[in-house]
Amino acid sequence: AQTVTQSQPEMSVQEAETVTLSCTYDTSESDYYLFWYKQPPSRQMILVIRQEAYKQQNATENRFSVNFQKAAKSFSLKISDSQLGDAAMYFCAYRSHGSGNTGKLIFGQGTTLQVKP
Amino acid sequence: KAGVTQTPRYLIKTRGQQVTLSCSPISGHRSVSWYQQTPGQGLQFLFEYFSETQRNKGNFPGRFSGRQFSNSRSEMNVSTLELGDSALYLCASSRNGGTNAEAFFGQGTRLTVV
Repeated sequence: AQTVTQSQPEMSVQEAETVTLSCTYDTSESDYYLFWYKQPPSRQMILVIRQEAYKQQNATENRFSVNFQKAAKSFSLKISDSQLGDAAMYFCAYRSHGSGNTGKLIFGQGTTLQVKP
Repeated sequence: KAGVTQTPRYLIKTRGQQVTLSCSPISGHRSVSWYQQTPGQGLQFLFEYFSETQRNKGNFPGRFSGRQFSNSRSEMNVSTLELGDSALYLCASSRNGGTNAEAFFGQGTRLTVV
């Protein structure tokens, strides 16, 4: 079974600075997707960024980028130029592809990010 | 384009009762997944429905059930409620549940069992 681990329960960053959130996962599959979701106090889960395992290039979405290390099974999220609105809980998530092709997401425990003005 | 709609937003129930939660996916989305979120267990997958069929199921007791209608709307039911069922229940929809389909979440239903 696949597992996702976020070892940082809480992180803080100064506004305009850069912060990196860590995520490791375990799987025997070769084809899968990885995601970072943001959950603000409103509890609405918002997709931040997506990475396909078959792509070597790291995904980037504006101020958000990932460092995807497939061999190490590591998937970290870097937030540049942090803004107060980035304060939220961030979840790393895994989804199978190929033969396990369903919508099931496996989530990490989450990292609460505090942004200090 | 309307997002994923979950109703009701808040519920208070008594132990032993049953409850039904509703999820209306984004138009055109055929996959609906349900998750339970608690402070202790985090986000756990309950089940997924695709074209009215349960395609995947998490490790929850049989008290948790669901269904999907022909218009892709989904309901989940919890019978014989226990205090431990208090949680935020999140619904997510996607176009076909796989192949690079982004999952969109509703705002959740906060269930409190007293």
